[in-house]
Amino acid sequence: DGGITQSPKYLFRKEGQNVTLSCEQNLNHDAMYWYRQDPGQGLRLIYYSQIVNDFQKGDIAEGYSVSREKKESFPLTVTSAQKNPTAFYLCASSIITPGSTEAFFGQGTRLTVV
Amino acid sequence: QKEVEQDPGPLSVPEGAIVSLNCTYSNSAFQYFMWYRQYSRKGPELLMYTYSSGNKEDGRFTAQVDKSSKYISLFIRDSQPSDSATYLCAMGRSGRRALTFGSGTRLQVQP
Repeated sequence: DGGITQSPKYLFRKEGQNVTLSCEQNLNHDAMYWYRQDPGQGLRLIYYSQIVNDFQKGDIAEGYSVSREKKESFPLTVTSAQKNPTAFYLCASSIITPGSTEAFFGQGTRLTVV
Repeated sequence: QKEVEQDPGPLSVPEGAIVSLNCTYSNSAFQYFMWYRQYSRKGPELLMYTYSSGNKEDGRFTAQVDKSSKYISLFIRDSQPSDSATYLCAMGRSGRRALTFGSGTRLQVQP
């Protein structure tokens, strides 16, 4: 079964703690993305990557970091510098150059600060 | 002003009704238009993908793109309670870093 797997589904973070969200895809897609979704708002782009070992900041990258060491994997770290991290995080991938093809999404990780 | 505008709803209709969902956009360079359906606490799933202007039909779903008016629509015929979800429009163009999404319209189909 091809698809995008995000884990964990739910994650709780204490103040001042870094947490890492996992995203794995077996679709052989070159491009991968991280979005943040808040209630009543659209998807906001955090980071994206078009090829291995390269990634670019999106609209709201502050307080987040990513890596792309393998084509299949694009983990997102929410650092303590992110002041309002409680949100629904979505990972996506697409075949080629961003913007010209449809993106496919994982099932999301809901992060809550406790 | 946002690049893509979408009425948040909620839109409530009786089962069997025809539903019309819409987005307007300001960037005339957009060439690719998509509709996603998102159930509560789930990731968005792609419903329709359209390149440039015109209509596309898939079962009970029809997507329309009017580039001259910068307006796209999704029609759902014979709506079912299982269609109750948030519908997101998305747009893209070659060379753009990622898709641009609307904020979503919440649809409720009453049995």
